Amino acid sequence: DQQVKQNSPSLSVQEGRISILNCDYTNSMFDYFLWYKKYPAEGPTFLISISSIKDKNEDGRFTVFLNKSAKHLSLHIVPSQPGDSAVYFCALLPYSGGGADGLTFGKGTHLIIQP
Amino acid sequence: NAGVTQTPKFQVLKTGQSMTLQCAQDMNHEYMSWYRQDPGMGLRLIHYSVGAGITDQGEVPNGYNVSRSTTEDFPLRLLSAAPSQTSVYFCASSYGRRRSYEQYFGPGTRLTVT
Repeated sequence: DQQVKQNSPSLSVQEGRISILNCDYTNSMFDYFLWYKKYPAEGPTFLISISSIKDKNEDGRFTVFLNKSAKHLSLHIVPSQPGDSAVYFCALLPYSGGGADGLTFGKGTHLIIQP
Repeated sequence: NAGVTQTPKFQVLKTGQSMTLQCAQDMNHEYMSWYRQDPGMGLRLIHYSVGAGITDQGEVPNGYNVSRSTTEDFPLRLLSAAPSQTSVYFCASSYGRRRSYEQYFGPGTRLTVT
């Protein structure tokens, strides 16, 4: 049973516009919520995170929103740039003692920025 | 700093063979972990370690062994390779258990088992 869902396998956005990537989760055992970016033939790189006690975190062009009641996480990128074209994974960390102490990943969304 | 390094980059094994995937980090990180990524899937946790001498199982540990004799190294051993273990394997590290979310990933090892 998938605990973390990214329902859009791919997303195409025009350069300069806003990219919105979404992630849904199924239970309340998670403590931190993260986004990773991955280019082909490379390992994932950490992008931005948010604690379960917050609902928004900003870092430059990237903003992560958390809606705990809806169990929904989103990443906004504005403005989108060609270098943002990559696969984006949401990843969730459980509370300490809530299971294996590692990240649970979604399947990823391939973001394509069109010139 | 080299960060997280993994060797080899590519490997082809026959069913039943064993091998060790190497992972090393030079950032003095306490936490290290192994993930596998299959086509169209997210990464899944295999094993992890919160410090030298301490290891634990993740979501998909069967068929794999790990040990952590030093802070720097965290090798992953495939005991008897099976086609279902064809995957890309990523090693990761981070400062400590409660900061394990800021994980630094290696470039991956692409393994094919025939």
